[in-house]
Amino acid sequence: NAGVTQTPKFRVLKTGQSMTLLCAQDMNHEYMYWYRQDPGMGLRLIHYSVGEGTTAKGEVPDGYNVSRLKKQNFLLGLESAAPSQTSVYFCASSPPLGGYEQYFGPGTRLTVT
Amino acid sequence: DAKTTQPTSMDCAEGRAANLPCNHSTISGNEYVYWYRQIHSQGPQYIIHGLKNNETNEMASLIITEDRKSSTLILPHATLRDTAVYYCIVRVNNAGNMLTFGGGTRLMVKP
Repeated sequence: NAGVTQTPKFRVLKTGQSMTLLCAQDMNHEYMYWYRQDPGMGLRLIHYSVGEGTTAKGEVPDGYNVSRLKKQNFLLGLESAAPSQTSVYFCASSPPLGGYEQYFGPGTRLTVT
Repeated sequence: DAKTTQPTSMDCAEGRAANLPCNHSTISGNEYVYWYRQIHSQGPQYIIHGLKNNETNEMASLIITEDRKSSTLILPHATLRDTAVYYCIVRVNNAGNMLTFGGGTRLMVKP
């Protein structure tokens, strides 16, 4: 199993450009999450999904949109990138039973200039 | 979710046990204690979790005090690859509940 994978690993955007980050998991997990991590800080939840076709806002949702059209994929979109969105983005998934422990991807490092 | 308090940093000699403490004096009866770690530039990694009993898995042991107000993560034989930031998180065990990462403890394993 590949676990949780993220595409791309690195990206540089200009202010106002748009992009989509892709998260994929092959563990048949129901729940998926998008976090951002700024230098020297902990993770903050952007959006999450408890199943295919459903999404919900997290702690810092402004400026981002998400979609969960397939169970294994969770997309994070930036419609008009801003320098404040420069961060490392982590995707995670968790199983529907048990401890709901979250498994994280390797991260996408995004710089907005 | 209950607030947690961890030391900012700790050192441990390679091959020795690393004992990482966490205070969570306001923990509620339905809140679990979770431990994650983050190695530099990588995604966080789940380690272990528990409610009130001590737990052990292939990575670590979790000791929770009887009053549940504090816990200790034990890495029995620390290696250089265990150098990371360790996060103690207290949360209700349900699907949509986010993980709230505080400052964590930066563990440095030294040769």
